[in-house]
Amino acid sequence: SAVISQKPSRDICQRGTSLTIQCQVDSQVTMMFWYRQQPGQSLTLIATANQGSEATYESGFVIDKFPISRPNLTFSTLTVSNMSPEDSSIYLCSVGGLSGRRPYEQYFGPGTRLTVT
Amino acid sequence: AQSVTQPDIHITVSEGASLELRCNYSYGATPYLFWYVQSPGQGLQLLLKYFSGDTLVQGIKGFEAEFKRSQSSFNLRKPSVHWSDAAEYFCAVALNSNSGYALNFGKGTSLLVTP
Repeated sequence: SAVISQKPSRDICQRGTSLTIQCQVDSQVTMMFWYRQQPGQSLTLIATANQGSEATYESGFVIDKFPISRPNLTFSTLTVSNMSPEDSSIYLCSVGGLSGRRPYEQYFGPGTRLTVT
Repeated sequence: AQSVTQPDIHITVSEGASLELRCNYSYGATPYLFWYVQSPGQGLQLLLKYFSGDTLVQGIKGFEAEFKRSQSSFNLRKPSVHWSDAAEYFCAVALNSNSGYALNFGKGTSLLVTP
């Protein structure tokens, strides 16, 4: 499987600011996804990062709050904008379609732990 | 509505004992099913997956899972638990979403292993 890295691994941010999280994969992948894991909760898909076009967002998530970029097949960013304490979560990127596997078969990065004060 | 249920929030087993973690799903068709493990402070690691075919699937770290259509279940098992297996375990099902490829996760089962 691929090596997936995320930066930063953790951060503490002030209310009203924005944070950009990076996800890098060591091989080209067809699908990249961003999930949120709120404290003590399960994972929820935020959006699918589409290469060269706008991300596809899930219900309850909007581009103004979570802008996503994917300039190539190995890299994506998620920005958490105008943060509030409710945005304190672990943000994880995942990749699918590795080595011809199905897009549903997803592999996850180590996550970014965000605390908003 | 499509859903994934992990009935046990916490499970405690003795090292060396057998383990079974339960997962039930509610979907119209045969879903794609997954088990992931999350160790403290870590990301998720894929343990095993079921798409079709043999209903008993083998995964990494000595885990296996059995798909039972009649019971809408995909329970995870391990014959002998090691202390390093203590972690959070998530069952997931491929979900029809806006993007078409989302995973719908259960709420997780926290496994504690005692000496």
